[in-house]
Amino acid sequence: DAGVTQSPTHLIKTRGQQVTLRCSPKSGHDTVSWYQQALGQGPQFIFQYYEEEERQRGNFPDRFSGHQFPNYSSELNVNALLLGDSALYLCASSLSIRRGAYNEQFFGPGTRLTVL
Amino acid sequence: ILNVEQSPQSLHVQEGDSTNFTCSFPSSNFYALHWYRWETAKSPEALFVMTLNGDEKKKGRISATLNTKEGYSYLYIKGSQPEDSATYLCASVSDFGNEKLTFGTGTRLTIIP
Repeated sequence: DAGVTQSPTHLIKTRGQQVTLRCSPKSGHDTVSWYQQALGQGPQFIFQYYEEEERQRGNFPDRFSGHQFPNYSSELNVNALLLGDSALYLCASSLSIRRGAYNEQFFGPGTRLTVL
Repeated sequence: ILNVEQSPQSLHVQEGDSTNFTCSFPSSNFYALHWYRWETAKSPEALFVMTLNGDEKKKGRISATLNTKEGYSYLYIKGSQPEDSATYLCASVSDFGNEKLTFGTGTRLTIIP
């Protein structure tokens, strides 16, 4: 089992550009959550996808959008990049609580985004 | 407590010593508390998830306790080893059915050989 994988590992963009980050969940998981970790902070929840729909959203502007595909993989898109979007973006996968018991969330290694 | 808070922010411990650190979280609408171990350039590794007041979990030399009434959890490491050097994150979940993790800023542990 490859666990949660993310691509790319690192990315450099300039202000105003758009970026797409990708996440493949752990085998058997159906829920993907995205988190942003800025320097010196804990990861902040962006949103969560289940059954190809956004189920929950954190306090992030509409410039942050996502998608989940039928194979449960997910993308995070950020438009009109700002310097403050520079951060580590983490993806976590889990088996939805709707399937029964509460389950652990497993994280990928993250994508480091630098906005210049 | 409105946010998840962790203390201390960083810690240096001599190899072989035992140590512990704290996670404080909102006790209202509590559902679950997670601990993660995060080494640089790797994925955060799930250590424990606890839901019940009084829960105690153990994995090798690492253990954790949970007090949901007062809103805190302790993580203990017995006989620290260099490979224990990492950032330890806790995250709380509120309300059943809500799977959003609210993280603290972590405790950075360095083991001195």
